[in-house]
Amino acid sequence: GAVVSQHPSRVICKSGTSVKIECRSLDFQATTMFWYRQFPKQSLMLMATSNEGSKATYEQGVEKDKFLINHASLTLSTLTVTSAHPEDSSFYICSARDVGAETGLAGASEQYFGPGTRLTVT
Amino acid sequence: GDSVTQMEGPVTLSEEAFLTINCTYTATGYPSLFWYVQYPGEGLQLLLKATKADDKGSNKGFEATYRKETTSFHLEKGSVQVSDSAVYFCALSAPQGAQKLVFGQGTRLTINP
Repeated sequence: GAVVSQHPSRVICKSGTSVKIECRSLDFQATTMFWYRQFPKQSLMLMATSNEGSKATYEQGVEKDKFLINHASLTLSTLTVTSAHPEDSSFYICSARDVGAETGLAGASEQYFGPGTRLTVT
Repeated sequence: GDSVTQMEGPVTLSEEAFLTINCTYTATGYPSLFWYVQYPGEGLQLLLKATKADDKGSNKGFEATYRKETTSFHLEKGSVQVSDSAVYFCALSAPQGAQKLVFGQGTRLTINP
């Protein structure tokens, strides 16, 4: 089945530093990847949509200069949290959509999720 | 905007009990509807989906029917197992645009032997 990996799975950094999180589709190509943030006991909130070879589309209220997204290839997207602060501590999850999957009706194509990255800023 | 509302958890049941997790949605047009499951320490996995009204998605004994008249997509299972313990997320995807997923708040399910 389709597998999405994230690295690192867990990171602790000091306030003011930057952290890069990688999201890779291991056995399929993904023109579109999504980045979510999940607070404890809460749902996933979409942060941005990452498109291969173009600029990411950010959701309202998400600072694009703080959360830098790069989708350099069909199998890799990165999220960099710049000048991290304790309020950025969260669980970050990526997902990828398989370009080769038959979607049928628009909106029905499956997204495959990574295992998440736990970021703690001290 | 589009939104999804799930019944609040946590839900605790005994093995072999009947399960219902309610999900209602608000959306323009005809969204696709999904149930995702997150087992402890793992990423989200698609459990089932339905793309149009009256469709029934099913997988691993779980079922959900797309009810447009009540804007609902309730998850059901006739006899739960301990291995079903997880967090369940209802979600929708609008038919146009980037096909972004909008998630409900999640329902934590614990099944006791």
